Amino acid sequence: EAGVAQSPRYKIIEKRQSVAFWCNPISGHATLYWYQQILGQGPKLLIQFQNNGVVDDSQLPKDRFSAERLKGVDSTLKIQPAKLEDSAVYLCASSLAGPNTGELFFGEGSRLTVL
Amino acid sequence: AQSVTQPDIHITVSEGASLELRCNYSYGATPYLFWYVQSPGQGLQLLLKYFSGDTLVQGIKGFEAEFKRSQSSFNLRKPSVHWSDAAEYFCAVAGVNDYKLSFGAGTTVTVRA
Repeated sequence: EAGVAQSPRYKIIEKRQSVAFWCNPISGHATLYWYQQILGQGPKLLIQFQNNGVVDDSQLPKDRFSAERLKGVDSTLKIQPAKLEDSAVYLCASSLAGPNTGELFFGEGSRLTVL
Repeated sequence: AQSVTQPDIHITVSEGASLELRCNYSYGATPYLFWYVQSPGQGLQLLLKYFSGDTLVQGIKGFEAEFKRSQSSFNLRKPSVHWSDAAEYFCAVAGVNDYKLSFGAGTTVTVRA
C-alpha cells in the first residue's frame, strides 16, 4: 500500500516569497490533515479536511496560509507571503476517519527554510 | 481543549537498558491516546494506541504503554532498547469524536553503546 506522498521534500525561499506544498493521501482516506512542526516542538494542526470540506482550520494563519482539497483527494498548502517564523516541517497526514479508528498516517514532510 | 505534556525533553539510555517515557494529558473525558515515533528525516509512525479496555497496550517494536486514569498518564516503556530506537517520541491525545490529534513537544531518545 502506498503511503502519504508529499512534495517537495525541501524548499528554501526568501521572506515575503510564496511557496506551495502538495500532498497525496493514502487511497480511500477521507480525512486529510496538514501539520506544522517547528524545530523542537510537536506537530501543530493547521487544517483538517473531511473529503473536500474543511473540518477545522482554527489554527491556520489565514492572512498568509491557504489550503485546498478540491476533489477530495490530494491537497495543496500555500504560504504567501512567507515569514521567517514559517520555517518548519509541514507534515501531511491522512486517516480513514471511521468511528473505530484514529490512526493517522504521515508523509515524510516538506521542510521549509525562510531566509 | 486537550493538551499533552512530555516532561522529559531528552533521555539518554544505554543499549539493552530499559526505557520509560512520560506523558501526561489533559482532557475532559477519557481520550484516545497515542505514541508516535519519528526518526530523523522521516514522518511519524504509530507505535501504539489506547481507545478503551485493557489499560496496558502493546505496540510495535517491543513497546508498551499503560493508561492510568487517576494520574492522567500514558507512559511508554520498552524493557531493552536497541540502537535503532534512537529517535524522537511523541505522545498525542485525540477527542473521542473528532480524531484531531494534539501532540506533546516530544522526547528525544539517544542510545549509547
